[in-house]
Amino acid sequence: DADVTQTPRNRITKTGKRIMLECSQTKGHDRMYWYRQDPGLGLRLIYYSFDVKDINKGEISDGYSVSRQAQAKFSLSLESAIPNQTALYFCATSGTVASSYNEQFFGPGTRLTVL
Amino acid sequence: KQEVTQIPAALSVPEGENLVLNCSFTDSAIYNLQWFRQDPGKGLTSLLLIQSSQREQTSGRLNASLDKSSGRSTLYIAASQPGDSATYLCAVAGGFKTIFGAGTRLFVKA
Repeated sequence: DADVTQTPRNRITKTGKRIMLECSQTKGHDRMYWYRQDPGLGLRLIYYSFDVKDINKGEISDGYSVSRQAQAKFSLSLESAIPNQTALYFCATSGTVASSYNEQFFGPGTRLTVL
Repeated sequence: KQEVTQIPAALSVPEGENLVLNCSFTDSAIYNLQWFRQDPGKGLTSLLLIQSSQREQTSGRLNASLDKSSGRSTLYIAASQPGDSATYLCAVAGGFKTIFGAGTRLFVKA
């Protein structure tokens, strides 16, 4: 079974709809991240969480919110989706053991299309 | 602000060729540098992680080097195969954030 899973894998929605993307991990990591990927732009950080009570904005958090329901679960919400949020979204985790500090492990991605 | 650049953006080589992918970064205060492979429409697979105190890491036909002072890393792929065709991303970790390059798209021709 995959260590980092994302649901749904694909989603098409309309402008103005609320969307939630979910991420679960079985790696036992404390740190979780949400990124979006756009062609030619690489990955950009939306939000990150170092534990259940610690959530931080990344470089492109506007229009997004997150919830860390448990150590293993981190969800991303688009309160009112707009077409320029069409992208590939990735969840990632990393541990806190010194030797693996910041080594990141990625989920398979969610392809979101906003019409 | 850390910036990560990968050159070239795309590369096409014949099967069997040895090749080098480049990654440069502007701030040398990093914890580690990670190389990933991404197949079209898929997730990222970690290939190699180099800690800031290390100079290189090897895995099979892959060798990654790190020169913090010059802000450079290279990924060397020996005896390339068509199955190596993918996009290769480097990611630099510093502080609490990881900054990604835009990637090099590699095509290995049979």
